[in-house]
Amino acid sequence: QVQLQESGPGLVKPSQTLSLACNVSGGSVRSGGYYWGWIRQPPGKGLESIGYTYYGGNPFYNPSLKSRTSISFDTSKNQVSLSLTSVTAADTAVYFCARGPTNLGFYFDDWGQGALVTVSS
Amino acid sequence: SYVLTQAPSVSVAPGQTARITCGGNNIGSKSVHWYQQRPGQAPVPVVYENSDRASGIPERFSGSNSGTTATLTIRRVEAGDEADYYCQVWDSSSGYVFGTGTMVTV
Repeated sequence: QVQLQESGPGLVKPSQTLSLACNVSGGSVRSGGYYWGWIRQPPGKGLESIGYTYYGGNPFYNPSLKSRTSISFDTSKNQVSLSLTSVTAADTAVYFCARGPTNLGFYFDDWGQGALVTVSS
Repeated sequence: SYVLTQAPSVSVAPGQTARITCGGNNIGSKSVHWYQQRPGQAPVPVVYENSDRASGIPERFSGSNSGTTATLTIRRVEAGDEADYYCQVWDSSSGYVFGTGTMVTV
């Protein structure tokens, strides 16, 4: 059973870069057949997609965040990384990483517990 | 961008049936997934590909999708079903999109 765990700074200053890692155990990020996605949830609000990637393919980003987002693999650490540049208070949210099988239309069946990131000076 | 609209809240008595709807343009042609989220927790998959139950989900949960509305139905509602529910689809322009969410109160 794969397990996902988000990690990274809980506090980021405005205009700086938010960087999070999704640590994967019980499976390899190099395994084919899975999408790896990032989703966020501002306090008291709904879920918002950030983007996804899959091993050997190109990442796809939510058009509203595309200019500031990067999702990549660190295979040496078995991680999926998220980078969001030029953050503002509106980027304050719980950030989830998730995994889903590519044969089921972007359905995420494994989720991390989430990491709260606050943007504040 | 593709928009999925859900009613903000649904209230149901224990033992009754809750129906949670998800509206979107021609959603009947898409594959719809549903997640349950309790406060402070990560979403948990409930139904995938319109009507297949996720692992460990009781038969009381079922899904359907046709035309402009997808529906998650919870029969014989229990107190433990109280949570937020989100629908989700894939759109070629917007990527994977979540609905606005419905709070189910028992």
